[in-house]
Amino acid sequence: GAVVSQHPSWVICKSGTSVKIECRSLDFQATTMFWYRQFPKQSLMLMATSNEGSKATYEQGVEKDKFLINHASLTLSTLTVTSAHPEDSSFYICSARGYRGPEQFFGPGTRLTVL
Amino acid sequence: AQKITQTQPGMFVQEKEAVTLDCTYDTSDPSYGLFWYKQPSSGEMIFLIYQGSYDQQNATEGRYSLNFQKARKSANLVISASQLGDSAMYFCAMREGRNQGGKLIFGQGTELSVKP
Repeated sequence: GAVVSQHPSWVICKSGTSVKIECRSLDFQATTMFWYRQFPKQSLMLMATSNEGSKATYEQGVEKDKFLINHASLTLSTLTVTSAHPEDSSFYICSARGYRGPEQFFGPGTRLTVL
Repeated sequence: AQKITQTQPGMFVQEKEAVTLDCTYDTSDPSYGLFWYKQPSSGEMIFLIYQGSYDQQNATEGRYSLNFQKARKSANLVISASQLGDSAMYFCAMREGRNQGGKLIFGQGTELSVKP
């Protein structure tokens, strides 16, 4: 299957700092990338959908100015958590979809801890 | 309204036995897809199986099969011959229509524990 990577796999930061998470499709071109957030023992919550070269579409209730998403190329999308606070601590997972097939391929996730 | 419902927060199964994980969905779109993913404790989401709304036959992938009952709007996952490595969270997900951007909506998940 297709491979999606995420970097970093975990990050600890101080409150008020910004954190950037990268999502890359390694062996296919991703027409669309998705960012999810997951709290412990809960389901995945879609935050936003991004298409290469266009603005991301955010789900209701997700702050656009806090969670900046950039989809600069067909293989790279980034999520920047700006001015992070402890309540932003979570597991962030990206997924990517290519031109063929129905599958969405997920990255391994990034665990963010804000102190 | 909940679009994807998994009513079993936790399930136990004996090793080598079969287990069924329930999933019901709600949509008025005639074109949709149903997915099952496995999430072990490491956090990665592993794609297991896919069923399209127009597929005539139930999907199968190795030990995984999807019991698709369209009229009842259910898409239960059947795992045959359970293994200890099957212990994980299992999520059912749906993608609606061609105009929804391809996003997946996930159910609450079922935590499966396989007993030796």
